[in-house]
Amino acid sequence: GQSLEQPSEVTAVEGAIVQINCTYQTSGFYGLSWYQQHDGGAPTFLSYNALDGLEETGRFSSFLSRSDSYGYLLLQELQMKDSASYFCAVRDQEAAGNKLTFGGGTRVLVKP
Amino acid sequence: DVKVTQSSRYLVKRTGEKVFLECVQDMDHENMFWYRQDPGLGLRLIYFSYDVKMKEKGDIPEGYSVSREKKERFSLILESASTNQTSMYLCGAGTGELFFGEGSRLTVL
Repeated sequence: GQSLEQPSEVTAVEGAIVQINCTYQTSGFYGLSWYQQHDGGAPTFLSYNALDGLEETGRFSSFLSRSDSYGYLLLQELQMKDSASYFCAVRDQEAAGNKLTFGGGTRVLVKP
Repeated sequence: DVKVTQSSRYLVKRTGEKVFLECVQDMDHENMFWYRQDPGLGLRLIYFSYDVKMKEKGDIPEGYSVSREKKERFSLILESASTNQTSMYLCGAGTGELFFGEGSRLTVL
């Protein structure tokens, strides 16, 4: 089966750095995605890693190590608006019919 | 960006009723998905479709069926709703990057 593990909750102050880890065990692996979801809203795409290494997009970065079945999302210079849930998701294959399996989500609470 | 529209934001149904959740995307994408979201469980895949009339079971298909007669429309059907199907239902379209609708919160009494 497919399983993704991530911490359930993280609390930090404005301006801090938060790292959300994600470990996965899946029957197939083609890439790791990260999504952000504010309360009451739809999940929105943040980043995607298909190859090992770090991808940087503004204050957010995502890292992947395929050999360790591990990735993380790094949130820098935290702002109040970053308070949300963050989900990692594995894409299981390249071909048509590929599906995304999501982790349970990490709730990030940013305090003043 | 792909826009995904779900027909109902909030529904209240009774046990045993048939429920239709409609989803429409505006960018001709092959892949469409239905997830349910429950606290602490993340998003769990119910069904997905990678072409018209094609469907694949996800991780929790029991009690659900789907229909994809046109590329832009993917419907989720609960033949006989039960209280344990009370949940938030999210429709998505895309491949590596999924675009989601705003969700349909279903309450089954």
